[in-house]
Amino acid sequence: EADIYQTPRYLVIGTGKKITLECSQTMGHDKMYWYQQDPGMELHLIHYSYGVNSTEKGDLSSESTVSRIRTEHFPLTLESARPSHTSQYLCASSDETGDEKLFFGSGTQLSVL
Amino acid sequence: KNQVEQSPQSLIILEGKNCTLQCNYTVSPFSNLRWYKQDTGRGPVSLTIMTFSENTKSNGRYTATLDADTKQSSLHITASQLSDSASYICVVSDRGSTLGRLYFGRGTQLTVWP
Repeated sequence: EADIYQTPRYLVIGTGKKITLECSQTMGHDKMYWYQQDPGMELHLIHYSYGVNSTEKGDLSSESTVSRIRTEHFPLTLESARPSHTSQYLCASSDETGDEKLFFGSGTQLSVL
Repeated sequence: KNQVEQSPQSLIILEGKNCTLQCNYTVSPFSNLRWYKQDTGRGPVSLTIMTFSENTKSNGRYTATLDADTKQSSLHITASQLSDSASYICVVSDRGSTLGRLYFGRGTQLTVWP
């Protein structure tokens, strides 16, 4: 069982609101990731971090931002939510063994009205 | 273009029956291939990893195969249970950079009926 937690599990908000999706892990992993998943589609990488104060944009263009001030915490922020941001957001982490095994949180299902 | 294709897109079987899920990839250079199981409303969980030199690997009722020459992998589930109902995702890693890169399939949605 992975020790990676996401909150909230579900979020319904109005257009234009600022939101922060929380992600924390207790495994001491340096590498953390945010993926976006839509029904029937593959996961798309939107942000990743290889350690404190290190963040990079992923493959999928995203209007979100991330921060990595502490190893265990990797929050994702949307400054102004839009209906196109409606999706499932999955946070993951991986260790340094090099086999790229991802440990995922349970996800946040975001609905923007 | 590096891609991962899974088939079938969805599958319904009766409890106790066996099934096989397929994953074809064009990722190069190849590092490893991993199968994940994703229950509804949860994040994916790793089932098994296949490296270049491995042909078959079992994890309980799950058996994965890899043919690196034809770039195909399969996941065989024996004596299915209701709890096997989930999406099964194939993920391929390349060696194209020191950071590694992951390519995700769209998953096969398996439903097991009693």
